[in-house]
Amino acid sequence: NAGVTQTPKFQVLKTGQSMTLQCAQDMNHNSMYWYRQDPGMGLRLIYYSASEGTTDKGEVPNGYNVSRLNKREFSLRLESAAPSQTSVYFCASRGSGTSYSGANVLTFGAGSRLTVL
Amino acid sequence: GNSVTQMEGPVTLSEEAFLTINCTYTATGYPSLFWYVQYPGEGLQLLLKATKADDKGSNKGFEATYRKETTSFHLEKGSVQVSDSAVYFCALRISGGYQKVTFGIGTKLQVIP
Repeated sequence: NAGVTQTPKFQVLKTGQSMTLQCAQDMNHNSMYWYRQDPGMGLRLIYYSASEGTTDKGEVPNGYNVSRLNKREFSLRLESAAPSQTSVYFCASRGSGTSYSGANVLTFGAGSRLTVL
Repeated sequence: GNSVTQMEGPVTLSEEAFLTINCTYTATGYPSLFWYVQYPGEGLQLLLKATKADDKGSNKGFEATYRKETTSFHLEKGSVQVSDSAVYFCALRISGGYQKVTFGIGTKLQVIP
């Protein structure tokens, strides 16, 4: 099925460890996003990529890095995990244009639940 | 800046009750408005959208009307079902730039039989 695939679904880290969350989409979307979801705070944008080869900071980029490896893949890296990064992370992609009902709508992955001890 | 305000909940309703979840926004520019739904253990998915004033988005019995004069986009359903239990997010997007989507905090809906 077409969509956004995230791995892993669950991860437990110790403070100071590093890890990479992987995201891939097969809808030929140009734009991809990483959000984190925390209770009482909704979704906050970490980083986004408007097209292959470009990345930009969102609202809460500190402690994270991203790579837009190609048009399909957009990874999120935690270099030195902290307890404040315990969260659920969502990758999303967005179709562009105006000629179809899915235009400019975000398609989300199922999420990656990260716990930092 | 842009912002979306909605109640966090939880909102608890009996099956077949009428649902309203309020959403108001502030935006620089002329936004498109969305409702996304998140079922337990899943990612968000689009429920409905409206791109200009007075547009009504609808899907699966849910409706919301883009009210520019009151800067609101309230979600309604005439008769909820247990399967509607989920978290509902109101969101806006301003065209241009990187077209950032701003989300509300999400409203948890629990429907009991």
